[in-house]
Amino acid sequence: DIQMTQSPSSLSASVGDRVTITCRASQGISNYLAWFQQKPGKAPESLIYATSSLQSGVPSKFSGSGSGTDFTLTISSLQPEDFATYYCQQYNSYPLTFGGGTKVEIK
Amino acid sequence: QVQLQQWGAGLLKPSETLSLTCAVYGGSFSGYYWSWIRQPPGKGLEWIGEINDSGSTNYNPSLKSRIIISVDTSKNQFSLKLSSVTAADTAVYYCARRGKTLYWGHGTLVTVSS
Repeated sequence: DIQMTQSPSSLSASVGDRVTITCRASQGISNYLAWFQQKPGKAPESLIYATSSLQSGVPSKFSGSGSGTDFTLTISSLQPEDFATYYCQQYNSYPLTFGGGTKVEIK
Repeated sequence: QVQLQQWGAGLLKPSETLSLTCAVYGGSFSGYYWSWIRQPPGKGLEWIGEINDSGSTNYNPSLKSRIIISVDTSKNQFSLKLSSVTAADTAVYYCARRGKTLYWGHGTLVTVSS
């Protein structure tokens, strides 16, 4: 199985901050990497697929980059609605696997 | 816009079989993989498996011996059965459509307790 390691596992940030979350795959996954946002008590929602393609309706403050084994999700200017947990997921090979999550909290 | 509506028993006893169904409304049923994913309380996400409209399946090896995912294309529905459940199977179970990315249902909490 491909292990997905996210860092940090949690972070505290202020409104307006630029936030970067990293995701490392245990082996190369080309660009088959997606990011999801999950708010408490809700299902995850898609933000980004294929490493850097923005899901329809997702604001452009979210961006993704990387290739191979190292990937990042960046929120350019954190807003109150962005405080949530973020997960990466690889779909290069089965079984599909997720990172452990990064909880973004208010400082 | 596609909607995923899921249902099934929310409370099971150890050794029973979990059974969930997900209905797809408002979108094409073909051309996608239809997935099940779970999330234990307070923990991360685990992919269980998926099926396409032709009935081709992919399962997580960690659960493969206990799961069956099936599809009913006449009703645009797919289902999950997980046998011999234990407390470790307590989780919110999500159905999802996998295309370019995952589009998730609302989730069903399944609790296994004696």
